[in-house]
Amino acid sequence: GDSVTQMEGPVTLSEEAFLTINCTYTATGYPSLFWYVQYPGEGLQLLLKATKADDKGSNKGFEATYRKETTSFHLEKGSVQVSDSAVYFCALSTGNQFYFGTGTSLTVIP
Amino acid sequence: EAQVTQNPRYLITVTGKKLTVTCSQNMNHEYMSWYRQDPGLGLRQIYYSMNVEVTDKGDVPEGYKVSRKEKRNFPLILESPSPNQTSLYFCASSSSGAGSYEQYFGPGTRLTVT
Repeated sequence: GDSVTQMEGPVTLSEEAFLTINCTYTATGYPSLFWYVQYPGEGLQLLLKATKADDKGSNKGFEATYRKETTSFHLEKGSVQVSDSAVYFCALSTGNQFYFGTGTSLTVIP
Repeated sequence: EAQVTQNPRYLITVTGKKLTVTCSQNMNHEYMSWYRQDPGLGLRQIYYSMNVEVTDKGDVPEGYKVSRKEKRNFPLILESPSPNQTSLYFCASSSSGAGSYEQYFGPGTRLTVT
């Protein structure tokens, strides 16, 4: 079945460090791919998405490229800030159902 | 303000006592969905609804019921809750269920079943 595997956390980085959170997927058909972010005590918010191969999603300095050949959608940011501390979820949808990864907790220290 | 609301936010109950968690959205969205979030398992989809009177099972529907009588509301019903349903529950909605649309999430309901 469809599934998402993402990098285990927690991840701790210093401010201005480079961030990569790995995400790979298994899906039949042609999924849409998403990164959602969850701040403490809140629901999830969409961070970025890509709906077809080679698309790049970007938002707030975060980027991810839909790589069909490696079935990956890795999240990157060139310089993290303390305010980026949150849990990040990779997700896919092939239609009406959604599949989420287990989440990666990121803590950025000043 | 566009939002998804859930009630209650926190609930402690006992095994077997029926309960309902309400979900409402004010964005005229067609698609609504329920998820549970558990440590180490991420979010798993329980049920979803494409529109009024159209619902379908997600990955983990056992022990749950839903109904969609109005477009804005999508309650989650636990007819006989058990301790393994202790979890954090999220309702979400989107303008379409075509899979490429953003989902808007509610603030969550933390349920404890003793």
